[in-house]
Amino acid sequence: AQKVTQAQTEISVVEKEDVTLDCVYETRDTTYYLFWYKQPPSGELVFLIRRNSFDEQNEISGRYSWNFQKSTSSFNFTITASQVVDSAVYFCGPLDSNYQLIWGAGTKLIIKP
Amino acid sequence: DGGITQSPKYLFRKEGQNVTLSCEQNLNHDAMYWYRQDPGQGLRLIYYSQIVNDFQKGDIAEGYSVSREKKESFPLTVTSAQKNPTAFYLCASNGGQTGANTEAFFGQGTRLTVV
Repeated sequence: AQKVTQAQTEISVVEKEDVTLDCVYETRDTTYYLFWYKQPPSGELVFLIRRNSFDEQNEISGRYSWNFQKSTSSFNFTITASQVVDSAVYFCGPLDSNYQLIWGAGTKLIIKP
Repeated sequence: DGGITQSPKYLFRKEGQNVTLSCEQNLNHDAMYWYRQDPGQGLRLIYYSQIVNDFQKGDIAEGYSVSREKKESFPLTVTSAQKNPTAFYLCASNGGQTGANTEAFFGQGTRLTVV
């Protein structure tokens, strides 16, 4: 079965620290998409990144970076120099062959000033 | 601007009543989805639709119904058969089986409370 494991239920760090959110997935598909979404306290889900399974290059976007390792089925997300506005729940997951997102339980990130 | 609009933002329901949550998108997306989120939990799929006039049950469809008469609209009815409807409901859309625009866009959500 396809599933996602976000082992860190909650992470709390002090502002300006770096923090990494782990994501391990299982999928039957040989090619697939992976996603990260952010859910701030307002509730709306914000798209962060989409990664194709055949592209294993790491990606950096400002303070955000993603490390995709197909061999270990992991797609980890790092925030550098965290800010209070980064406080949110973060979800990762693959898009299955029916083009539906498989959701993990999410990691709640708390950035303390 | 393109996007997804959910209404209302807050909804109160008396026990035994049916209520309908609205979801409209102007992104020309084929696929639309309804999710339920309980406090501290992830998202669970209620129903989805890949094309007009067709929809499929998700993981927790009991007590809910949907329709997809227009591409832009995918309303969700929470029926009296849903025993614990208090939750946050999110609607989403993406390109679906066309393969294009596979990232999903979400509405702002509807918070439903049974009183």
